[in-house]
Parts: sequence; C-alpha cells; structure tokens
Amino acid sequence: DTAVSQTPKYLVTQMGNDKSIKCEQNLGHDTMYWYKQDSKKFLKIMFSYNNKELIINETVPNRFSPKSPDKAHLNLHINSLELGDSAVYFCASSQDWGRGSPLHFGNGTRLTVT
Amino acid sequence: KQEVTQIPAALSVPEGENLVLNCSFTDSAIYNLQWFRQDPGKGLTSLLLIQSSQREQTSGRLNASLDKSSGRSTLYIAASQPGDSATYLCAVSSRSNSGYALNFGKGTSLLVTP
Repeated sequence: DTAVSQTPKYLVTQMGNDKSIKCEQNLGHDTMYWYKQDSKKFLKIMFSYNNKELIINETVPNRFSPKSPDKAHLNLHINSLELGDSAVYFCASSQDWGRGSPLHFGNGTRLTVT
Repeated sequence: KQEVTQIPAALSVPEGENLVLNCSFTDSAIYNLQWFRQDPGKGLTSLLLIQSSQREQTSGRLNASLDKSSGRSTLYIAASQPGDSATYLCAVSSRSNSGYALNFGKGTSLLVTP
C-alpha cells in the first residue's frame, strides 16, 4: 500500500488553464504539506495543514489554493497557470506538526505548462 | 532565515568506497535534521532523522552525525554500492515566521560505479 499517493503523476496543460492535483495519505498523520521542486531541484515548502487547518503559507501566489476536506487529503488547485509554474509538486505528511516527526513524501506530480 | 548548503553538489565513486556527504546550516536553533534520498522520477525517502539533542543516528551502512553548534551534519555511507546512486538531500527544521519550517539543501548527486 502506498503511504502518500498523488494524482496525476504527469500533467501537461496550457497557460491560463486551471488544474488540480490530489493527495491522499493512509498513515493516519495529522499534518500534510505541499512542496515545489523547481528545475534546479530545489525543494521549497508551499503549504502546511495540521488537522485540516492551514498553518504555513509561504509566499505563494494566491492562484494556488490548497483544500483539505479531511485529515487524510490535501489537494492543490492552481488557477490561471503560468509557464513558471512548471515544476514537480510533492505532497508529504508527518505524524504531527513536524518538529520531531519525519516526513513521508509522495512520488510527485510533474506539471508542464506550455 | 535558515539556509542549508550541501557539498559536494555531485560525487562519483567506485563501488566499495566509503564516502561522506556534507550539510551545513546557518541557524543552529534547530529542532531536527533529516537526510533523504531521491531517486530519479520518484519522491523522497527518509533515511535518518536526528533530533537536536542527539549527536548521531545509524541505519545499516548509513551513519549521520550532527554538530548543532557548528551548524554541520555529515552522512557517512560505508561500502558503497551501485544501488546507492541517487540524490541525497539534507533538511533542517527550525522556527520560521510561520512557526515551523523544513528547509532543504540542493542535494548531492551520488553515482556509484561498478
């Protein structure tokens, strides 16, 4: 069983479109995250949710809107996609609001905006 | 703001060699430090997590040390194997404006040749 799963694995779309990426974890963790890995392989946190509540929002354009319907799911919706949004997006989870908890990552969603 | 640096950026060694990957961070007030492995097209796999009160952690052929006061961590891989080829990422958790943040280095790309 995959602990943290994201769909889709690949997403190719045109500028201006709206798209969503889904994430689910079956680890019973309280905290979930979205990270962006750019073309230089640098990983940067975007959002963190603890028990469905937003706790971190790191200077991300408001075209990006996370939604957490329950503790096990954290979806990422992106409006009006731009070329610079092309990257790999990783979902992750941890047992609690991660100060001492290891993170578990999904396999990533490669988004290409043309 | 916490900055994490990994040296070297890339490393190629013959099978069987012992090797050391380095990670440094600018703010020593950390909660923990985590080493990850990333295979091409895959997510991150947690290898070792060292709490701020610990000096080292070991798992199999891997040993990670932490010197919080000097802002350094090393990942030691004994008797390297071709299957160890991957990118190794260091991540440090520390306080941020949002309360807690996990900051990643850019990784060391390791190639172990048969």
